[in-house]
Amino acid sequence: DIVMTQAPLSVSVTPGESASISCRSSKSLLHSNGITYVYWYLQKPGKSPQLLIYRMSNLASGVPDRFSGSGSETDFTLKISRVEAEDVGIYYCGQLLENPYTFGAGTKLELK
Amino acid sequence: AVQLVESGGGLVQPKESLKISCAASGFTFSNAAMYWVRQAPGKGLEWVARIRTKPNNYATYYADSVKGRFTISRDDSKSMVYLQMDNLKTEDTAMYYCTAAANTPMDAWGQGASVTVSS
Repeated sequence: DIVMTQAPLSVSVTPGESASISCRSSKSLLHSNGITYVYWYLQKPGKSPQLLIYRMSNLASGVPDRFSGSGSETDFTLKISRVEAEDVGIYYCGQLLENPYTFGAGTKLELK
Repeated sequence: AVQLVESGGGLVQPKESLKISCAASGFTFSNAAMYWVRQAPGKGLEWVARIRTKPNNYATYYADSVKGRFTISRDDSKSMVYLQMDNLKTEDTAMYYCTAAANTPMDAWGQGASVTVSS
């Protein structure tokens, strides 16, 4: 199974500043079709997860452009510019390249 | 708007069965792969099962932890997806989320169905 490793496990950010979350996969997530199958989700307190970024760098519908995704074949970054109160929650990276789909352990974002 | 509504969760004893359902609307259900993802209390996300579309022969895939005990199915005429859970174990206790590939994999999520397995 592909292991997804996130860091840090928690981050505290001052509103208006930026935050970065890293995710590393144990295997390349680059498919032969040129698509990298890493996804980012946010689970706000008491809510269901929501998709933020798909295929490494594509912003999901309705997601503010303060969020961006980047990376290589095995190392990925979610960046949040100008963090707001509504960004609080747990961020998960996930790989949808092959079964079984797997997720990272999550990164908890809090405000200072 | 895309909407997924789960139902059928509850409290069951170990080794019992339970079937949870998910009603979908707001997208072309028959064109969408469907998934179940669960989250044990205080834990992270765990993918459980996936079912593809008719052109892909409704192929199904399962996590090793549930293989042979859980069955995912769908009814395109009703825009419904199901998860039949047999021989339940205490470690299956979790919130079960229905997710859809409305436009891209797992881009829509339901509110979840709570399943508790306890004697």
